[in-house]
Order: sequence, then structure tokens, then C-alpha cells
Amino acid sequence: EAGVTQFPSHSVIEKGQTVTLRCDPISGHDNLYWYRRVMGKEIKFLLHFVKESKQDESGMPNNRFLAERTGGTYSTLKVQPAELEDSGVYFCASSQAMGGAETQYFGPGTRLLVL
Amino acid sequence: AQSVTQPDIHITVSEGASLELRCNYSYGATPYLFWYVQSPGQGLQLLLKYFSGDTLVQGIKGFEAEFKRSQSSFNLRKPSVHWSDAAEYFCAVGAGLTGGGNKLTFGTGTQLKVEL
Repeated sequence: EAGVTQFPSHSVIEKGQTVTLRCDPISGHDNLYWYRRVMGKEIKFLLHFVKESKQDESGMPNNRFLAERTGGTYSTLKVQPAELEDSGVYFCASSQAMGGAETQYFGPGTRLLVL
Repeated sequence: AQSVTQPDIHITVSEGASLELRCNYSYGATPYLFWYVQSPGQGLQLLLKYFSGDTLVQGIKGFEAEFKRSQSSFNLRKPSVHWSDAAEYFCAVGAGLTGGGNKLTFGTGTQLKVEL
């Protein structure tokens, strides 16, 4: 069974540009999460999808971030325009719908550097 | 709001020595607790989790963790460390989300170095 995949693995952009990160969850997983780790800090929750619906986006930093999940399958996270403080590692995770007693499976992350 | 503290940023142990990584959490209800490991270039891999029942939890790769409610701790242990255990370890607490799912709050991580 394929795991969670993320693309690209690395991205280097200039301040003001746009970047789109993609996540493909494990097939059949209804829950999809985005997390971010800024250098030297903890991994922080950004948002949660159940199928194609956003259930909780309380962790999204501001309106420069837009997440979508087309047809309840893959998800994209767009940053527009990117700022220096957006640099970090963006993780995607997915899980089956089991309420609190679930295991989230993480992808390898996308390392974003904004210059 | 929940929080997790991993007081040790870096730990170095000799191969074959025992290991204990500390984790303290703050959460109002009975927590869901997790330990993840991240090796270079890899995603986070679940080592073990605690939801209820036996407070000593066995995980993969020979790791175990003990939930101590009185101390709000969930320390990770391994009796004999292997060089391949060198990685970054994250403790996390989960809180249920509206509509299902589980929001994880992570500690800052502990970087483990293993000396041969």
C-alpha cells in the first residue's frame, strides 16, 4: 500500500511569489491534515479535511494560505504571496475516519524556503 | 488548550545503552498520546500510541512508553539503542475535532545521536 506522498520535496521561491504544495493521501482515507514546522519550532496543525470539506482551519496563519481538496482525494496548499516567515517544512497526514482513536500517517514533507 | 513539552532538545547515547526520552503534556481530559520518529529524508513514523487501558505501551523497533497520569508524562524508553535509532523523536497529544479526526499538538522534538 502506497503511503502519503507530497510534491515537491523542496521548493525555493522569492518573496512575493506563489507556491502550491500537493498531498496525495493513502487511498480510502477520509481525513487529511496539513501541519507545518518552522525551523526550531514545533510541528503545528494548520487544517483538517474530511473528504472534500474543511472541518477545521483554525491553524491557518492568514488569508495568504488557501487549501483545497478536490473530490475528496488529493489536496493542495497554496501560498500567495509568499513571505519570508512562511519558510519551513509542510507535512501532510491522512487517516481513516475513526474519531479520536486514529493513527495519522505522515508524508515526507515539503521543504519550503522563501528568499 | 493542550501542550506538550520535550525538555531535551539533543541527547547523545552510546550504542547498546538504554534510552529514555521525556515528554510532559497538558490536557484537560484523558489524552490520546503518541510518539513519532523522523529519520532524515523520511516522514514521521508512528512508534506507539496510548488511548486507554494498560499504561505501559509497546511499540515498534523495541520502544515502549509509560503513561503516568499523576506526572502528566509519557516517556519513551528503549533498553538497548541501535545506531539506526539516530533520528528526531516527537511526542504528541491528540484532541478530537468536530466532525471526527484528531488534532495533534507536538512537542519541539528531541534529536537523538548514537555514538558507536
